[in-house]
Amino acid sequence: NAGVTQTPKFRILKIGQSMTLQCAQDMNHNYMYWYRQDPGMGLKLIYYSVGAGITDKGEVPNGYNVSRSTTEDFPLRLELAAPSQTSVYFCASSQTNEQFFGPGTRLTVL
Amino acid sequence: AQSVTQLDSQVPVFEEAPVELRCNYSSSVSVYLFWYMQYPNQGLQLLLKYLSGSTLVKGINGFEAEFNKSQTSFHLRKPSVHISDTAEYFCAVSVSEDMRFGAGTRLTVKP
Repeated sequence: NAGVTQTPKFRILKIGQSMTLQCAQDMNHNYMYWYRQDPGMGLKLIYYSVGAGITDKGEVPNGYNVSRSTTEDFPLRLELAAPSQTSVYFCASSQTNEQFFGPGTRLTVL
Repeated sequence: AQSVTQLDSQVPVFEEAPVELRCNYSSSVSVYLFWYMQYPNQGLQLLLKYLSGSTLVKGINGFEAEFNKSQTSFHLRKPSVHISDTAEYFCAVSVSEDMRFGAGTRLTVKP
């Protein structure tokens, strides 16, 4: 099993550009999550999904969108990138209470 | 909503010494508690979790934590640390699918 995979690993965006961060898991987990981690801070929940077709907002959803058309994939969309979205983004999945994390995507918005 | 406070941002310790990383939480309902570790530029790895039952939880790599409901704490301990334990440690509390993380404690193990 590859576990949770994320692409790209790094990305630099200009202000106002859009992009999609990809996340996939091969563990057949129902639950998937997107977090952001700012320097010196813990992770903050952006969005989560309890199954295909179902998504919900977390603690910091503004400026982001998600979709969950399949069990495996949970992409995160940034429509109009802003410098405040410079962060490391982690995707995670779970079936019970333990979340498994991907390696992260480091995003810089200039 | 629930919240987590990690009381120490940095903890330096010598190799083979014991260590305790402190975590307090706040919630009006029952919670699940977790400790994760993170090496630089990597994802998070679960060390241990408390869901119910025994308040003393043993995890991987010799770590353990004790859930104290009256003090709303979940401190992480290890009796003898190694250089390889140098990492960032996060305490987390979840209610249903909503997990909140502390700001992290950087553990530095010195030779």
